[in-house]
Amino acid sequence: AQSVAQPEDQVNVAEGNPLTVKCTYSVSGNPYLFWYVQYPNRGLQFLLKYITGDNLVKGSYGFEAEFNKSQTSFHLKKPSALVSDSALYFCALGDTGGFKTIFGAGTRLFVKA
Amino acid sequence: EADIYQTPRYLVIGTGKKITLECSQTMGHDKMYWYQQDPGMELHLIHYSYGVNSTEKGDLSSESTVSRIRTEHFPLTLESARPSHTSQYLCASSGGAITSGNTIYFGEGSWLTVV
Repeated sequence: AQSVAQPEDQVNVAEGNPLTVKCTYSVSGNPYLFWYVQYPNRGLQFLLKYITGDNLVKGSYGFEAEFNKSQTSFHLKKPSALVSDSALYFCALGDTGGFKTIFGAGTRLFVKA
Repeated sequence: EADIYQTPRYLVIGTGKKITLECSQTMGHDKMYWYQQDPGMELHLIHYSYGVNSTEKGDLSSESTVSRIRTEHFPLTLESARPSHTSQYLCASSGGAITSGNTIYFGEGSWLTVV
């Protein structure tokens, strides 16, 4: 069965420091992986996706994610965190049939000034 | 950039009332979805549609119903609202080739409070 996990409920980081939000997955076959961000009282915004190709995917707002097949991980990263990055982040695993996407439980990121 | 619109954004209604949450997208996407999300919590898929006249129930049982008469429109209806229905409802859509990964785009959400 396909699944996605975000092992941390919350991540705290100081402004200017690098940040990492973790995601692991389980799937038979090649994964389609996504990251979304949700600001308070808003819908989810698409950040980036991995389909195939380079293991380092670049996305919106300076975020990037590293796909690691051997560790079945897709961690979200940013070299220098901003206070405005504070939000709820969701990792998602796409169904290869293209019909249903599985979302992780979300990780709340707090960036302190 | 995604163009998916939800109305109303915020709604407070009394118990027993019938409500319809509207959702429209202008991207011509064939797939549409409704998710339910309590504040800051995980998403729960409650309905989805592959195309016109196609609707399916999602992973979380819901007393709401949906219809898909037009490609761009996917309204959600609650015949008799109860306080347990208080939540945020997120509409979403996706389209394009499967090999593009079926990226899902979300509306801004409808906050429903039943008193």
